[in-house]
Amino acid sequence: EIVLTQSPGTLSLSPGERATLSCRASQSVSSSYLAWYQHKPGQAPRLLIYGASSRATGISDRFSGSVSERDFSLTISSLEPEDFAVYYCQQYGRSPWTFGQGTKVEIK
Amino acid sequence: EVQLLESGGGLVQPGGSLRLSCAASGFIFSSSVMSWVRQAPGKGLEWVSTISGTSGSTDYADSVKGRFTISRDTSKNMLYLQMNSLRAEDTAIYYCAKGRFYALDAFDIWGQGTMATVSS
Repeated sequence: EIVLTQSPGTLSLSPGERATLSCRASQSVSSSYLAWYQHKPGQAPRLLIYGASSRATGISDRFSGSVSERDFSLTISSLEPEDFAVYYCQQYGRSPWTFGQGTKVEIK
Repeated sequence: EVQLLESGGGLVQPGGSLRLSCAASGFIFSSSVMSWVRQAPGKGLEWVSTISGTSGSTDYADSVKGRFTISRDTSKNMLYLQMNSLRAEDTAIYYCAKGRFYALDAFDIWGQGTMATVSS
């Protein structure tokens, strides 16, 4: 099983600041089959990034993804009030498909 | 509008059964890979099961293998999760989710979820 470790657990930032979230895989993730989701309480998770760096339909260009070997990153260039949420990475290249434990981005 | 709507959650005793349903609309359901993902209270997301769009092949997390069964009725655009021998640790919000395009792909559409509580 591929274990995804997200850091930090919580990120306290102010609107307008830049957020960088990390996701490290315990093994190589095939063909960058790595996604990022945003999840707010009481809502459905929302796909932000797939293939490590491709934005999903309708997602603001404030969100960007990158990869370096087994290290994946999600960057939010300038936080808007609606961006404060929990973010999960997920690998879908090898069963069982696994999620990271999540990073909460909270208002400082 | 592309939409997924889950139902069937509720309170059940340990060892009991529940059948979750997910109504799909706005996309070609018959060829879409569909999955169930759950979130236990205070925890993160956990993949549960997937069914392919064409062959109908299925895959399960080890934690539910042998107890849960995923199925679909393409004539009704419905996805199901039959959950048997339920345990307290199965208590969670269960989301159905659609795969984006390919057999291996991210989940681009999610339902709002249905809560299953296993407790005596």
